Amino acid sequence: QVQLVQSGAEMKKPGTSLKVSCKTSGYPFHTFSIYWVRQAPGQRLEWMGWINPRTGDTKYSQAFQDRLIITRDTSATTVYMELSSLRSEDTAMYYCATVLYAAAPKSPLDYWGQGTPVTVSS
Amino acid sequence: QSALTQPASVSGSPGQSITISCTATSGDLLDSVSWYQLHPGKAPKLIIYDVTNRPSRISDRFSGSKSGDAASLTISGLQAEDEADYFCSSYTSSIILLFGGGTKLTVL
Repeated sequence: QVQLVQSGAEMKKPGTSLKVSCKTSGYPFHTFSIYWVRQAPGQRLEWMGWINPRTGDTKYSQAFQDRLIITRDTSATTVYMELSSLRSEDTAMYYCATVLYAAAPKSPLDYWGQGTPVTVSS
Repeated sequence: QSALTQPASVSGSPGQSITISCTATSGDLLDSVSWYQLHPGKAPKLIIYDVTNRPSRISDRFSGSKSGDAASLTISGLQAEDEADYFCSSYTSSIILLFGGGTKLTVL
C-alpha cells in the first residue's frame, strides 16, 4: 500500500536550516507529485511547495520562495524539504503528501506522511 | 485576496448529522474543493475531493456538496471516532493551494 514515512522530530535554533525527508513506497515513485504542507500551532494548514519526481520541477509558495528547496532522490524514492533562515514562526508540524491525479494541476492530496514536528527556539 | 472560511467549531451527538461549511471569496474558488480530516498525532486523511467525490476507503457517512460561494461537508450517523479537525481546501486560478481555517468537530 502507499506509504509516506517522514523523518523524526527536529529542534532548531533561529537562523539555521532544516531538512525533512519523506520516504515513499507502494507505488511508482515518478508517478505523483509530492507536496509539502505545514501547520503551525493553532493555525490553518499552509501549502509550501511541490516537486514532480519525474522531472525534478518544483513550484514554491511565494511565502517561502527565497528559503525553501525541495529535492528528490529517485534511487531512494525519497523527497526532501529544506527550509533555511529558520525563525520561531516556522515552529510547526510539517507534512508531505502525494497528489491523487498524476497529471492534473489542481489535484487533491491523497496520501499523507505522519508529520514531522519542528520546534525553532533559541 | 482568495480565502476559504470555516466555522471554528461544530458539535453533535452520536447518530446525528452535522454539516461544516466552507465559504469562499468567489464561487469559482470551490470548483475543486476537497476536505481533510485531522486526528491529533495521525496523518491527515482525504475524505472528499472535487466537491462530491469520496475515496473508496472512506465511509459513505461522509458527503460533500456545493451551492454558490459555499461548499459543505456532511457527516451522517455521527460516531465518536469522527471527532477531529476538518479542513476544506481548493486551488486558485493561479494553481495556489489554499486551506480553510479548520473546524473542530466535537462528538458530545
